[in-house]
Amino acid sequence: QKEVEQDPGPLSVPEGAIVSLNCTYSNSAFQYFMWYRQYSRKGPELLMYTYSSGNKEDGRFTAQVDKSSKYISLFIRDSQPSDSATYLCAMIKAAGNKLTFGGGTRVLVKP
Amino acid sequence: EPEVTQTPSHQVTQMGQEVILRCVPISNHLYFYWYRQILGQKVEFLVSFYNNEISEKSEIFDDQFSVERPDGSNFTLKIRSTKLEDSAMYFCASIAEAGGRGEQYFGPGTRLTVT
Repeated sequence: QKEVEQDPGPLSVPEGAIVSLNCTYSNSAFQYFMWYRQYSRKGPELLMYTYSSGNKEDGRFTAQVDKSSKYISLFIRDSQPSDSATYLCAMIKAAGNKLTFGGGTRVLVKP
Repeated sequence: EPEVTQTPSHQVTQMGQEVILRCVPISNHLYFYWYRQILGQKVEFLVSFYNNEISEKSEIFDDQFSVERPDGSNFTLKIRSTKLEDSAMYFCASIAEAGGRGEQYFGPGTRLTVT
């Protein structure tokens, strides 16, 4: 079983729709959860960083963590064509500092 | 806004040659990382570096790889004898302190092509 699983997509939505992304993980040692956005051939850009279970909101982005289910989500409200990118979830174990990434979900927001 | 920079943006080299990839982390950051991403695959951790020594490395980071912070600003990744399978995007990242380990800021990457 892969440590971090993420549906590769592509996920195609009309402009203005809510984008819903998620990752599952198998190792309960993961304690810190991040979402990155990556445009083609560019570096990952940090969007959200959460530690505890629950919700965290930042502008149009909401991150959810459910440690009991080993499931994390990212919601993008009022999606724009500029949100078209690959979204990567990433996690860190309590005792370490290396990021373990999911494979990424490609999102297409159509005007 | 401060950012991580990397040079070159694209490096083409022949198999067996040595390459050095360079990174300038954000100026007040203390922890430094290298990751790589083979085309179409996940971003993979290579190595972390703190206080002038390696703090953690992956199985990928074998004797062909080395890292160095030669001065107060640069952080380099050297591959001694490149192989075809080293072709990938290489990303440098940094954080300010251990408590902010989740807030790793990535550079734009160096695309390494080994022919």
